[in-house]
Amino acid sequence: SQQGEEDPQALSIQEGENATMNCSYKTSINNLQWYRQNSGRGLVHLILIRSNEREKHSGRLRVTLDTSKKSSSLLITASRAADTASYFCAPVGSSNTGKLIFGQGTTLQVKP
Amino acid sequence: DTEVTQTPKHLVMGMTNKKSLKCEQHMGHRAMYWYKQKAKKPPELMFVYSYEKLSINESVPSRFSPECPNSSLLNLHLHALQPEDSALYLCASSHAAGVAYNEQFFGPGTRLTVL
Repeated sequence: SQQGEEDPQALSIQEGENATMNCSYKTSINNLQWYRQNSGRGLVHLILIRSNEREKHSGRLRVTLDTSKKSSSLLITASRAADTASYFCAPVGSSNTGKLIFGQGTTLQVKP
Repeated sequence: DTEVTQTPKHLVMGMTNKKSLKCEQHMGHRAMYWYKQKAKKPPELMFVYSYEKLSINESVPSRFSPECPNSSLLNLHLHALQPEDSALYLCASSHAAGVAYNEQFFGPGTRLTVL
């Protein structure tokens, strides 16, 4: 398993704006997963994108994957105060042991 | 039931105490995980159980002792902890370990304080 690196580390926007965060990784992957963590709570799985997919949508979430650049982005459209959280990506390699290694995450603050 | 539950929510213990954290899921998942998360840091994997057998131990000190009594339950026994062990302890489960497209479902965590 490998670690993703999220960018930016922190992001502050107004409610209604879009938020984009990025994830880079180093070696080839089988899939890449995004998780959200509200302050002091458990992580919530948001979306999984497979290595042969380029884009995936789930409600207000849009994830893209560029395997040639070894990067992924998470776009949250029409953000809400409830989207305030930390967001982590987890790249999963072919030899998946079940181990997820999280980067430092992007802390998103959505101001009402 | 698509939930992972953890008890207790909060735990304060002394360095000489013995306590246990409990995690439960009823989703039929056969892999369960313990993570440790310090403040403003990402979760770090401690243990993975696959089909009730320990498959990964991330060089965790022996004062942490995991146990998987059955496919739905995961315990973490704590003994002689240090103040630096204070953290949020997260449990997670997934359909199986070592399988592609293996999203993990997390519990709300136990906030542990060691005095």
